[in-house]
Amino acid sequence: GENVEQHPSTLSVQEGDSAVIKCTYSDSASNYFPWYKQELGKRPQLIIDIRSNVGEKKDQRIAVTLNKTAKHFSLHITETQPEDSAVYFCAASNGNQGGKLIFGQGTELSVKP
Amino acid sequence: EAQVTQNPRYLITVTGKKLTVTCSQNMNHEYMSWYRQDPGLGLRQIYYSMNVEVTDKGDVPEGYKVSRKEKRNFPLILESPSPNQTSLYFCASSFTQTSGSYEQYFGPGTRLTVT
Repeated sequence: GENVEQHPSTLSVQEGDSAVIKCTYSDSASNYFPWYKQELGKRPQLIIDIRSNVGEKKDQRIAVTLNKTAKHFSLHITETQPEDSAVYFCAASNGNQGGKLIFGQGTELSVKP
Repeated sequence: EAQVTQNPRYLITVTGKKLTVTCSQNMNHEYMSWYRQDPGLGLRQIYYSMNVEVTDKGDVPEGYKVSRKEKRNFPLILESPSPNQTSLYFCASSFTQTSGSYEQYFGPGTRLTVT
């Protein structure tokens, strides 16, 4: 089955710096890669996702890149702000399996003012 | 308001006492899932359902049961809870043919403690 590894587990940056979180997956059939943000005490919420027919997707300060050959994908946050502090989860899914979604272990991002 | 609801939000119970956590969504989503969240382990899928009467095991199904008799409801049943099932549980729903989006909408979570 699918396995998703996420690094680093914790990341601390200064406000205004960039942050990068990386994930690798094992199932070459995976074709959908979402990223979720979970603030302390709250539920996870989707921030960006990418499908396997696209190499990069950007939404304002957030971007995701996908390398299908190497089976890894990354989240890039530019111009970080204190409100970006949260736990970020990557995930992978084979859309043909419907709702099956495998999450990484999470990255706790801390943005220091 | 589009939402996923779970009840109860907090539950303390004893080993072996059967319990049910309810989950309901009002977005006409086809897919529903249950996850447990434990420190350092991320979110692990317990069961998922692609439609009414269609369910399948996720990564950690042992000790849990689910049913999907109606599209909007997906209860999680612990027939004989044990302390290692102490965790934070999330229900989530996603996907309509109209939207084609796989975005998962999570419920508020249920904090379960089994003593």
